[in-house]
Amino acid sequence: DGGITQSPKYLFRKEGQNVTLSCEQNLNHDAMYWYRQDPGQGLRLIYYSQIVNDFQKGDIAEGYSVSREKKESFPLTVTSAQKNPTAFYLCASSPGEGNYGYTFGSGTRLTVV
Amino acid sequence: SQQGEEDPQALSIQEGENATMNCSYKTSINNLQWYRQNSGRGLVHLILIRSNEREKHSGRLRVTLDTSKKSSSLLITASRAADTASYFCATRGNQFYFGTGTSLTVIP
Repeated sequence: DGGITQSPKYLFRKEGQNVTLSCEQNLNHDAMYWYRQDPGQGLRLIYYSQIVNDFQKGDIAEGYSVSREKKESFPLTVTSAQKNPTAFYLCASSPGEGNYGYTFGSGTRLTVV
Repeated sequence: SQQGEEDPQALSIQEGENATMNCSYKTSINNLQWYRQNSGRGLVHLILIRSNEREKHSGRLRVTLDTSKKSSSLLITASRAADTASYFCATRGNQFYFGTGTSLTVIP
């Protein structure tokens, strides 16, 4: 079955550490996205990529980095520069811009300890 | 800045009743989408309505769009306990924005 896989489901990080969240899709979608969800604030866009080897900053990119070396993969690194990284992170993909819905992964909950 | 805002923030109804959620947005859009999120899970795409459409149906879901008022509504008919979730609208214009969601509780 086609879909998006995020791993791990839960992640604990010590302050000062970088961590990488995995996102893999087998839907042959061109576009991929990373969102952060905090209680009561909806989803906020961190980074997005519309094509391999290209990505753009979203509304809250500071303290995060991404890469898009393969169409199927769009990993997100939460760096030590991110001041408040504890949140629920969601990866999504779509065939492209336009009249398409997004397919979401099941999310990674990151907690800084 | 967030584009869509849902109303109400929370809604509690009895099983079998209809649930209506509203979404308002600020700028012109190409389409508006509704998503469902069960607690601790990813979002699931429910329905997309284009800017030149006024109403769309999918099973027990009915979505309306009024571009003159910059608003949309999602109606879930004959609700079930399994409909308990958060519902988000998302607007596609120059960018794609999600609202803050409506938390729906359906009481068996």
